[in-house]
Amino acid sequence: AQSVAQPEDQVNVAEGNPLTVKCTYSVSGNPYLFWYVQYPNRGLQFLLKYITGDNLVKGSYGFEAEFNKSQTSFHLKKPSALVSDSALYFCAVRLILTGGGNKLTFGTGTQLKVEL
Amino acid sequence: DAGVTQSPTHLIKTRGQQVTLRCSPKSGHDTVSWYQQALGQGPQFIFQYYEEEERQRGNFPDRFSGHQFPNYSSELNVNALLLGDSALYLCASSLVSAANTGELFFGEGSRLTVL
Repeated sequence: AQSVAQPEDQVNVAEGNPLTVKCTYSVSGNPYLFWYVQYPNRGLQFLLKYITGDNLVKGSYGFEAEFNKSQTSFHLKKPSALVSDSALYFCAVRLILTGGGNKLTFGTGTQLKVEL
Repeated sequence: DAGVTQSPTHLIKTRGQQVTLRCSPKSGHDTVSWYQQALGQGPQFIFQYYEEEERQRGNFPDRFSGHQFPNYSSELNVNALLLGDSALYLCASSLVSAANTGELFFGEGSRLTVL
C-alpha cells in the first residue's frame, strides 16, 4: 500500500533557527508529494508539492522541501523559523486511482512548536 | 475569488441521528472530495465526486453517502450516527484535468460532535 510516514509527533525549535519536519514515503512508481499546514480549528493549507523536476521545491511562507529518491524522503525545511510557523504539518502522497479520480493519503502529522 | 466554503462550521448531534454537511468548491473547480479527520489524526479519504457521481470511495461504511449538484457543490450525509463519527469533516476541491499535478484546496471544515 502506498503511504507516507511522519516519524516525529512534535518538533521544537527556537525562533530564528532552521527547522526540519521529516517525511518518508512508500509508493510504487513516481510519487506526487505534498505538504499541508493546519492551524488550530482550521482546514488544511497547501504549502508545496513535488511532481517532477528539481529535487528542491520552494513553497509558501518561506518553506521548502527536499525530495530524495534514494532515501524515499520528502523533508520540509525552513532556514529561519518564526513563532507564527507553530502549527500541525501534514505530509501527503497523491494516489491516482484505478477508474479515474485521485486521493491524498496523509501522514499522522507533526506538531511544530517554535519558541522565542 | 471565494475558496472552498463549508457549512455548518460546528454541530452537535446525538447517536442514531442523521447529519448533512455542505460544501461549495473553489470557483472553477469541478471535483469535490470529502475527508474525515478524527482528533489527533491525519485526514482520511471518504469519497470523491465528479460529474455528479461518486467516482472513488475510501474505507467508510454505507452510512456515509454524498451528492454533487450541477453547480459542483456537494453534500455529505451520515446516517445512524455513532460516537466514533465525531470528527472534523473536510471538503476539498480540485480540477479533474489537473488530477496528476494539481493540489487540493480545503475548506475550514465542519466540526461534528456526536453525544
